[in-house]
Amino acid sequence: QSALTQPASVSGSPGQSITISCTGSTGDVGNYDYVSWYQQHPGQAPKLIIYDVSDRPSGISDRFSGSKSGNTASLTISGLRAEDEADYYCSSYAGTMRMFGGGTKLTV
Amino acid sequence: DVQLVESGGGFVKPGGSLRLSCAPSGFTFSAAWMSWVRQAPGKGLEWVGRIKSTADGETTDYAAPVRGRFTISRDDSTKVLYLQMDSLTIEDTARYYCTLLTGYYVANWGRGTLVTVSS
Repeated sequence: QSALTQPASVSGSPGQSITISCTGSTGDVGNYDYVSWYQQHPGQAPKLIIYDVSDRPSGISDRFSGSKSGNTASLTISGLRAEDEADYYCSSYAGTMRMFGGGTKLTV
Repeated sequence: DVQLVESGGGFVKPGGSLRLSCAPSGFTFSAAWMSWVRQAPGKGLEWVGRIKSTADGETTDYAAPVRGRFTISRDDSTKVLYLQMDSLTIEDTARYYCTLLTGYYVANWGRGTLVTVSS
């Protein structure tokens, strides 16, 4: 199974909004509402920011939102802040396995 | 708070073996589904495999690149999760994260332990 497809990089200015896409297939993103997103700052472990397509864990800012259409999921970050600069990974349930995207480097 | 502490990483030659351990705390380990995720230096995240709780049969599933070489196991009595890695190749060089699964996502991550496969 191939990894989910994400853009290698995106950028935005403070206060702006950006969207990161995550494209899979009917075997993963398209068939299950179990897409999650993770934020990883350099030298740190990943951190869950979105689960089940659009739910946020406790403590995660509502500036982070998720959605899905067909085989593509999206993460939107509004009101960009300097601390949002990080790598972002999507993940999808795929039957017995989980798939990860290749990651997107966000530059603010 | 949930804590996951990995250990056992280090240097190993191609063809060698290594066993990683993960010490969990802050949740009921025996009821938890656990997984391992790895990240090669400068690369993205890669799913390694998952083990269900003992009550759910301790069923394991693995990603294709490690299937047949890696084995995930658990000891609920001592609260330890293991990753036995055999027939290691250079491509297995990565930081290995112990993770707690909740529903269909990774809810918590350890800090990881680095495995370097080199001759």
